[in-house]
Amino acid sequence: DAGVTQSPTHLIKTRGQHVTLRCSPISGHKSVSWYQQVLGQGPQFIFQYYEKEERGRGNFPDRFSARQFPNYSSELNVNALLLGDSALYLCASSVGTSDKSETQYFGPGTRLLVL
Amino acid sequence: AQKVTQAQTEISVVEKEDVTLDCVYETRDTTYYLFWYKQPPSGELVFLIRRNSFDEQNEISGRYSWNFQKSTSSFNFTITASQVVDSAVYFCALSEDGAAGNKLTFGGGTRVLVKP
Repeated sequence: DAGVTQSPTHLIKTRGQHVTLRCSPISGHKSVSWYQQVLGQGPQFIFQYYEKEERGRGNFPDRFSARQFPNYSSELNVNALLLGDSALYLCASSVGTSDKSETQYFGPGTRLLVL
Repeated sequence: AQKVTQAQTEISVVEKEDVTLDCVYETRDTTYYLFWYKQPPSGELVFLIRRNSFDEQNEISGRYSWNFQKSTSSFNFTITASQVVDSAVYFCALSEDGAAGNKLTFGGGTRVLVKP
């Protein structure tokens, strides 16, 4: 079975631009979470979506937004890019119960470089 | 607020040596969940183990073992007889019952380098 897939794998943008990252969860999983991992640090939680509704949000500015589609895939959008947005963006999928013990399975990530 | 600390930033060992990674967490919740993930150079986080706060049994899976001690808020990970393929960054993470969504709070990671 296919794991979590993300596209694109790499992206280069300039300051002020907008970017859209995409994620497809594991088949049968209904929940998608997004994390930002700056070089040398652990991942930071951005959003969780379940059944197209936002279930949780981390401490990120409103420039960051996301949505989930009926097929459970998801997009992360970042507006007005800053140099500090350069990072590895990880998508994770989980079954989607309300159980906080649910394991999240991660995709390979999208490496974003903002110049 | 929840917090996960991995004090060791990098550990270097020679193949076949044992290596122990420390993880200390802080939480106000009485029910919480602890995870370990491995991140090889490719970047993808690979799930290794999940442990519930009410289950303090230690666990062994092949060359991997985990020691959960609630009294010291620690969830340490040992690789026995390390191999070159174990070279990666390892992250400890915490999920709390009281949090919105199933947010994972990660530590800063420990880079393990296993030399042949």
